[in-house]
Amino acid sequence: QKEVEQNSGPLSVPEGAIASLNCTYSDRGSQSFFWYRQYSGKSPELIMSIYSNGDKEDGRFTAQLNKASQYVSLLIRDSQPSDSATYLCAVEGGGSYIPTFGRGTSLIVHP
Amino acid sequence: EPEVTQTPSHQVTQMGQEVILRCVPISNHLYFYWYRQILGQKVEFLVSFYNNEISEKSEIFDDQFSVERPDGSNFTLKIRSTKLEDSAMYFCASRTGLVTEAFFGQGTRLTVV
Repeated sequence: QKEVEQNSGPLSVPEGAIASLNCTYSDRGSQSFFWYRQYSGKSPELIMSIYSNGDKEDGRFTAQLNKASQYVSLLIRDSQPSDSATYLCAVEGGGSYIPTFGRGTSLIVHP
Repeated sequence: EPEVTQTPSHQVTQMGQEVILRCVPISNHLYFYWYRQILGQKVEFLVSFYNNEISEKSEIFDDQFSVERPDGSNFTLKIRSTKLEDSAMYFCASRTGLVTEAFFGQGTRLTVV
């Protein structure tokens, strides 16, 4: 059974700070990693994908992948109140081509 | 920008009734998925569909569930005899290929009373 673990939070950061969200996964064969943002009552919205070790930056977002340690993280720089949402980590690979989601981390950015 | 479209946005049904949830995936996408999310819980995989057949399904996807692609654009999820515990948000997702990014529709909120 593939497990994707996230701290449920809430993670509370002040506006302008860096928010750091973490995700660990159990299947060492996982190959693809995705971060989604989900506002309450809405659908998951893709933020970033990452497939190889290291950092990937897109605007204020940076995804970091460490396959040896089986974790993937998302950094949000210059956090804004509009970033307040639940952030979902999804992992795929290891024989199953189905993105498996973690429970998500609730992020609150306060002014 | 192309998007996945789901209808209806909200469906209320009586226990034991059949419901059909509809999805129009992004036009050049080949892989289609149904997920559900019970209130306060995580997004759970139900079924994947490729080349007009089911490619994978979860334990949740039992005999009361079925999927179809009745024409070149629509992708449907049917629940034959709804139960109270089927109340959830149902999301359709699609993508161009395996290990590529999946895009989600806005969801259908199913309420079984």
